[in-house]
Amino acid sequence: TQLLEQSPQFLSIQEGENLTVYCNSSSVFSSLQWYRQEPGEGPVLLVTVVTGGEVKKLKRLTFQFGDARKDSSLHITAAQPGDTGLYLCAGARYNQGGKLIFGQGTELSVKP
Amino acid sequence: NAGVMQNPRHLVRRRGQEARLRCSPMKGHSHVYWYRQLPEEGLKFMVYLQKENIIDESGMPKERFSAEFPKEGPSILRIQQVVRGDSAAYFCASSKDNSGANVLTFGAGSRLTVL
Repeated sequence: TQLLEQSPQFLSIQEGENLTVYCNSSSVFSSLQWYRQEPGEGPVLLVTVVTGGEVKKLKRLTFQFGDARKDSSLHITAAQPGDTGLYLCAGARYNQGGKLIFGQGTELSVKP
Repeated sequence: NAGVMQNPRHLVRRRGQEARLRCSPMKGHSHVYWYRQLPEEGLKFMVYLQKENIIDESGMPKERFSAEFPKEGPSILRIQQVVRGDSAAYFCASSKDNSGANVLTFGAGSRLTVL
């Protein structure tokens, strides 16, 4: 049973397009994190959202945590080839901060 | 200020051999986590350790796998009598504490191939 459903699994778009990646669960999380992973490397943290309804922006990336703290989204505006990579969402349960539950990942390819 | 250091980066073993993966956490971090990434699957939690203690090993296979984080030296993930299904990328992460908004820093991973 996958506790965090991430969609879509694969996304191939043209440079300049917008996209949204979704991370959904029936479970409540104390926080949710988004990572980006390059081939042959470990995940690198992009953002942590903690409060229900929270929105955080990182340049062209907008992250949102659902009001009920069960879901999250990542929106990229005007995607660039440098955004290509694997995006992972991960949820932390209360009192289990480092024991993250990861989604399956979204493989993003941005073509010039 | 080095990040999380893992070695070896790549390891090839034949079935039945032992694999030892090492992880040195970031300076100032005393919490270490091991995750496994199987082909076509997401990262899965294996074990959480603090110095000299295993805190949570709920994600560890019951047999052949063990982990330690001694008082001195790196954390070690040990896989005995490896099988082909153990082929995966093994990631170590470290943190300062285990709070809900915890920030984990991941290493680059050790990629184990079992022939």
